[in-house]
Amino acid sequence: DGGITQSPKYLFRKEGQNVTLSCEQNLNHDAMYWYRQDPGQGLRLIYYSQIVNDFQKGDIAEGYSVSREKKESFPLTVTSAQKNPTAFYLCASRLGGVVLHTEAFFGQGTRLTVV
Amino acid sequence: AQKITQTQPGMFVQEKEAVTLDCTYDTSDPSYGLFWYKQPSSGEMIFLIYQGSYDQQNATEGRYSLNFQKARKSANLVISASQLGDSAMYFCAMREGYRNKLVFGAGTILRVKS
Repeated sequence: DGGITQSPKYLFRKEGQNVTLSCEQNLNHDAMYWYRQDPGQGLRLIYYSQIVNDFQKGDIAEGYSVSREKKESFPLTVTSAQKNPTAFYLCASRLGGVVLHTEAFFGQGTRLTVV
Repeated sequence: AQKITQTQPGMFVQEKEAVTLDCTYDTSDPSYGLFWYKQPSSGEMIFLIYQGSYDQQNATEGRYSLNFQKARKSANLVISASQLGDSAMYFCAMREGYRNKLVFGAGTILRVKS
């Protein structure tokens, strides 16, 4: 079955530690996204990638880093520079390119808690 | 600047009635796409409906329809015959031009009463 997988579902880290969230898709999608969602709030775009080896900052990129070495994978690192990292993180992918009408498919999310 | 605005933090609707969730957007690009998603308490994101800026007709998908008013830059979601299972957070999103950047609004929590 095609889909997008985020792991782990729950993640606990100590303050000051970097942590990497995994996102893998087997949909052959070019575009991938990372969003942050705080309780009762909307999705805020952290980073997005339109193609392998390329990515752009979203609206809240400070304290985060990404890589896109493979089409299937778009890991997100939450660094110690991120002041308030506790949140729900959602990864998504879209066909991308010049195909305009396709929707984004989402993973199940990773709930990160920093203590 | 806020690209997508959802002004209703929360809405209540009686079961079997229709409800409209508001969404306004801001873009100077003539080509764009608008999406609506549903997020139940489980956290998963469920795609509901899409409207392209050049589409001549309002989009419909089952009980969901989109009231697209291009001049007003609004893309309101209409849910007909509400069901208890419609209780969730609803997000409006926009993709501008041929870029793949996809931004979301703050969401509206809908509660369906029996």
